[in-house]
Order: sequence, then C-alpha cells, then structure tokens
Amino acid sequence: QQQVKQSPQSLIVQKGGISIINCAYENTAFDYFPWYQQFPGKGPALLIAIRPDVSEKKEGRFTISFNKSAKQFSLHIMDSQPGDSATYFCAASTGTYKYIFGTGTRLKVLA
Amino acid sequence: GAVVSQHPSRVICKSGTSVKIECRSLDFQATTMFWYRQFPKKSLMLMATSNEGSKATYEQGVEKDKFLINHASLTLSTLTVTSAHPEDSSFYICSAIKREDTGELFFGEGSRLTVL
Repeated sequence: QQQVKQSPQSLIVQKGGISIINCAYENTAFDYFPWYQQFPGKGPALLIAIRPDVSEKKEGRFTISFNKSAKQFSLHIMDSQPGDSATYFCAASTGTYKYIFGTGTRLKVLA
Repeated sequence: GAVVSQHPSRVICKSGTSVKIECRSLDFQATTMFWYRQFPKKSLMLMATSNEGSKATYEQGVEKDKFLINHASLTLSTLTVTSAHPEDSSFYICSAIKREDTGELFFGEGSRLTVL
C-alpha cells in the first residue's frame, strides 16, 4: 500500500514532442505529490508538485494532472528539449514527510 | 529555493575504514533531514529520518550501527558509514525540510562512496 508505481521505465521522445510519465498509488492518506528531475551524479531537484485538492497544475512546460478517484497522477513535459533528458521520479507523502518514490523514468529527448 | 549542501561529493576509502558525509542546509533551518541511498539506475531508498537533538529513526533493514546519523544542529546532519565494505559503495543523498514546512523536500547533490 506504500508503493508508488511509475511508468514507463524509459522513454524516448523527439525534440518538440510531449513526454508523459505516469504514477499510481494506493494509500489514500498521501496528500502531496511532487515530481523530481535527476541528472547523472546529482541529487534530485523538485520540478513541480500538486496536492489532491486540484486536478491540474502547470508551471512553464511542465504540467501535473491529478486524478484522485483513480489514484493516479502524471507529468507532462510540453515541447520537450534535449536538456530535459534526465531521470524523473514521482513521489508521494503524507504529513510525516516520508516520501515514497516511484521507480524512475529515464527520459531521452532526441535532437 | 532552499540550498542543501553535501560534502564530500566523492570519497574513496579502503575496506574497514569509516567515512563521514556531511549535509548542511545553507539558507534555512531544518528540524528534519532524511538520508537516502541510491543504487545505479534505481530509485531512492530512504535509510533514516534525522531529527535535530534526538536519535535518528531508521527504516527497516538499515543497520543503525553501520550507518551512524547525527543531527547536531538545525543546519547539519552527518552520516558515518562505519567499517565500510565494498557492498556499502553507493550514492548517498540527504534531504531537508524547511522549519516552516511546506512539505517540500530539498535534496543535496549526493555523495558517491566507493569502498575498495
């Protein structure tokens, strides 16, 4: 019940395309859903996050869509660029701030 | 955004020695810090939760005598890998929550430990 399932494991997108990464969870106590971007040899950096009271949040080219009834949320990267090539992790947490991370998606954007 | 600094970024040590990794919140006070371990191309595995002024809380399966965590101040937590062995080689990452919490975690740059 504490798992966060992330898919796909890897993703190849053409420059300018849309990258979509999906996550699903079971624990309805989760109330914070962030997405992190990680480059090789670096720590994760927060991209965007959402709480269950909204269904969508957009920041620049990054959008989170949240479906509370389905217990799913996704990251959309619009106009994907080669510089977006990285590993992306979704996560979920409760008020204890113990984050449960997804398994990661390695995104490669072709020039 | 908030800045979390880790040091060293890379460390190589001989088997049997101990290694200390520091995690500092540079521009905010962090009552709670977390230590993660990440294997190549894998997700982040929470090792322990570090609270300022109290003992760390370790996740199941993490040896507290092997991975000593100290949170001596509101801006510093340390992870000491004691009697390191090659299987302890990994990428260790700390994170911190701001005192006035938003629920947002700020991660350090990570420390690559290689045990020969």
